[in-house]
Amino acid sequence: DVKVTQSSRYLVKRTGEKVFLECVQDMDHENMFWYRQDPGLGLRLIYFSYDVKMKEKGDIPEGYSVSREKKERFSLILESASTNQTSMYLCASKGRVNEKLFFGSGTQLSVL
Amino acid sequence: GEDVEQSLFLSVREGDSSVINCTYTDSSSTYLYWYKQEPGAGLQLLTYIFSNMDMKQDQRLTVLLNKKDKHLSLRIADTQTGDSAIYFCAVTTGANNLFFGTGTRLTVIP
Repeated sequence: DVKVTQSSRYLVKRTGEKVFLECVQDMDHENMFWYRQDPGLGLRLIYFSYDVKMKEKGDIPEGYSVSREKKERFSLILESASTNQTSMYLCASKGRVNEKLFFGSGTQLSVL
Repeated sequence: GEDVEQSLFLSVREGDSSVINCTYTDSSSTYLYWYKQEPGAGLQLLTYIFSNMDMKQDQRLTVLLNKKDKHLSLRIADTQTGDSAIYFCAVTTGANNLFFGTGTRLTVIP
């Protein structure tokens, strides 16, 4: 089975802090994604990456950046956390041919 | 992008059938998915259907696709309390991105 692991289940940070959310997948998938999930808004795509060192903006990239130095790892970075970035963050991956998207269990980030 | 819409809430009695509906806007959507999210967890792929199919059945789950109306539904037969969760519809045109609905919170009343 595909395993997508997010490093933290819960995270509490202060406004202005730099925050790193890490995601690792073990299936050699080319594509990796970061979503945020908010009640009533569903999942919104922040960034995705289709290869090492490649990245594409999603629907809501403002205030975020990403890093993909290795194929298995995709990091989401909040340069200066703000309270409106309090949310559930979900990482996902999928292979080139297989269209199924596999999710991590999520990181609930609270910015105080 | 694509707009994917679902109603936010659905309540059913245990043992009844649940039908969760989803509409989308892009007629070139090729893969259509249903994901389940239990409390405190990530999204788990439940089932999916290709756009050249009308129906797919998998045990208690039946997916119906009406391409003309751009309507997708998920029917859960004999709904159990363990089926209480948020169900997300997602569609893709085959490019890298999936477009998700807002999710439907299914509550099963014992």
